[in-house]
Amino acid sequence: EAGVTQFPSHSVIEKGQTVTLRCDPISGHDNLYWYRRVMGKEIKFLLHFVKESKQDESGMPNNRFLAERTGGTYSTLKVQPAELEDSGVYFCASSHGGHYNEQFFGPGTRLTVL
Amino acid sequence: DQQVKQNSPSLSVQEGRISILNCDYTNSMFDYFLWYKKYPAEGPTFLISISSIKDKNEDGRFTVFLNKSAKHLSLHIVPSQPGDSAVYFCAARRNDYKLSFGAGTTVTVRA
Repeated sequence: EAGVTQFPSHSVIEKGQTVTLRCDPISGHDNLYWYRRVMGKEIKFLLHFVKESKQDESGMPNNRFLAERTGGTYSTLKVQPAELEDSGVYFCASSHGGHYNEQFFGPGTRLTVL
Repeated sequence: DQQVKQNSPSLSVQEGRISILNCDYTNSMFDYFLWYKKYPAEGPTFLISISSIKDKNEDGRFTVFLNKSAKHLSLHIVPSQPGDSAVYFCAARRNDYKLSFGAGTTVTVRA
């Protein structure tokens, strides 16, 4: 069974540009999460989808970030326009339903904003 | 507001000895605690967990201890092996899906 995949693995953009990150969860997982780790600090929750619906987006930093999950399969996270402080590693995770089901993480996308 | 803290950014231990990783939390509403292991260029992978109703959970070489009154948990790895060299994240959650992570502890196991 394929794990969670993320694309691209690394993105370098200039301040003010737009970047779109993609996450493909494990097949059949209704729950999809986005997390971010900035500068070697803690991994912070961004948002949670249940199928195509946003269940919790309390961790989204501001309105420059837009996440979608059309059709309840893959998800995209767009940053527009990107700022220097957006640099970090963006992780996607997925899980079956249920609070205590394990979240499986993808390898992450390293975003560098210059 | 960081609710989960790992105050030791790094730990070096000799192969065969015990590794002890510590984690403190501030939110008394957390009821489930997890440890994740992360290798370079990979995502975190689940290692072991413990419910707040327990004070110890063991899985092979890995044991997690929870002290609710002190809001403290620890991960013991015995014996430590070279493949255990990785970043270890402590995480916690309330009765929902959202995980709150610490900043991680980098463990290096010396041969």
